Amino acid sequence: QSALTQPRSVSGSPGQSVTISCTGTSSDVGGYNYVSWYQQHPGKAPKLMIFDVSKRPSGVRDRFSGSKSGNTASLTISGLQADDEADYYCCSYAGTYTWVFGGGTKLTVL
Amino acid sequence: EVQLVQSGAEVKKPGESLKISCRGSGFSFTDYWIAWVRQMPGKGLDYMGIIYPGDSDTRYSPSFQGQVTISADKSVNTAFLQWSSLKASDTAMYYCARFDYTGISGHANYWGQGTLVTVSS
Repeated sequence: QSALTQPRSVSGSPGQSVTISCTGTSSDVGGYNYVSWYQQHPGKAPKLMIFDVSKRPSGVRDRFSGSKSGNTASLTISGLQADDEADYYCCSYAGTYTWVFGGGTKLTVL
Repeated sequence: EVQLVQSGAEVKKPGESLKISCRGSGFSFTDYWIAWVRQMPGKGLDYMGIIYPGDSDTRYSPSFQGQVTISADKSVNTAFLQWSSLKASDTAMYYCARFDYTGISGHANYWGQGTLVTVSS
């Protein structure tokens, strides 16, 4: 499987909203409602932010939301805060015990 | 508290073998799939494979099939990732993660702290 396509970088000012896209194919993103998003700060392990396209794990603020349309999933972060600055990765189920990650997006809070 | 604790950093030479570990605690280790994820320096995340310690059912990403071996010892709540002959291109951070399933798929809800593997002559 090829990696899912994400923009290399996005940016926004504190308080604004940003959206990160994640484009795959009908064999992964488009074929299943199993997209997850991970936040990774430098030198740290990834952290789950969204699963099953739009569900938030306990403890994740509702400023983070997910959606999907066709072969493209999106992560929206509203009310940007300085601590949101990190790398974000999408991940999609791609069939029997197979998952594929996106290339990652660096979010800069201006 | 759910925890995944990985073994420490390793420095190896090309051609050497290596086995790194991931010990789980705070949950029933045999009831969850454990995945391994690679992150090469400055790069993104790569799914390597997954194991169910309850019966050692193991599945590999096609990109990693034959390149690594994933195993588990449920008596000590530990999953392993091993190489028989390391290459310089295996230099990376390796994470284990507990997959929580909803329906037919899972997501990595808990992560280990990572094990840095450096392969250099």
